[in-house]
Amino acid sequence: DADVTQTPRNRITKTGKRIMLECSQTKGHDRMYWYRQDPGLGLRLIYYSFDVKDINKGEISDGYSVSRQAQAKFSLSLESAIPNQTALYFCATSDFSTSGSYQETQYFGPGTRLLVL
Amino acid sequence: DQQVKQNSPSLSVQEGRISILNCDYTNSMFDYFLWYKKYPAEGPTFLISISSIKDKNEDGRFTVFLNKSAKHLSLHIVPSQPGDSAVYFCAAPNQAGTALIFGKGTTLSVSS
Repeated sequence: DADVTQTPRNRITKTGKRIMLECSQTKGHDRMYWYRQDPGLGLRLIYYSFDVKDINKGEISDGYSVSRQAQAKFSLSLESAIPNQTALYFCATSDFSTSGSYQETQYFGPGTRLLVL
Repeated sequence: DQQVKQNSPSLSVQEGRISILNCDYTNSMFDYFLWYKKYPAEGPTFLISISSIKDKNEDGRFTVFLNKSAKHLSLHIVPSQPGDSAVYFCAAPNQAGTALIFGKGTTLSVSS
């Protein structure tokens, strides 16, 4: 079974609709992240969470909200979807460590392809 | 302002030859770098990393070189295989230690 899972894998919605993307992990990591990928723009950070009570905005949080329901679950919501939120969305977890210097490896889910009409 | 830059959007290489993917960074405080590989319809997967205390890290066919004075790192794949065709992202942790900063990616195509 995959360590980081995302549901749904594909979603088509209409402008103005509220949708939720879900992420679950079995890696036991405290840190979780949501990114979006757009062609030519790489991966951009939307929100991140270092534990259940810690939620932080990333580079492009406008129009999004998140919920960390448990250590293993981190969901991303689009309250009122708009066409420029059409993108590929990735959830990730991290095995953050500070042994000597800051080091972090992130592990990504398979992604959710979202189309907003 | 991009702190991690991959200036080549694409690279085409023949099977068996060397692939060299480049990455530049602007913040001299960065001390750890990662490379990720991404196939279509899949999430990025961790490939190899390097700490700033080293100038080279090797893992099988993959070697990452770090030139701190030039703020430049490169990923070498030798020999290249068609299965290496993917998008490669360079990344570095931000100074606050809160997130990774990714480059825009380079699409590698290896032809047989």
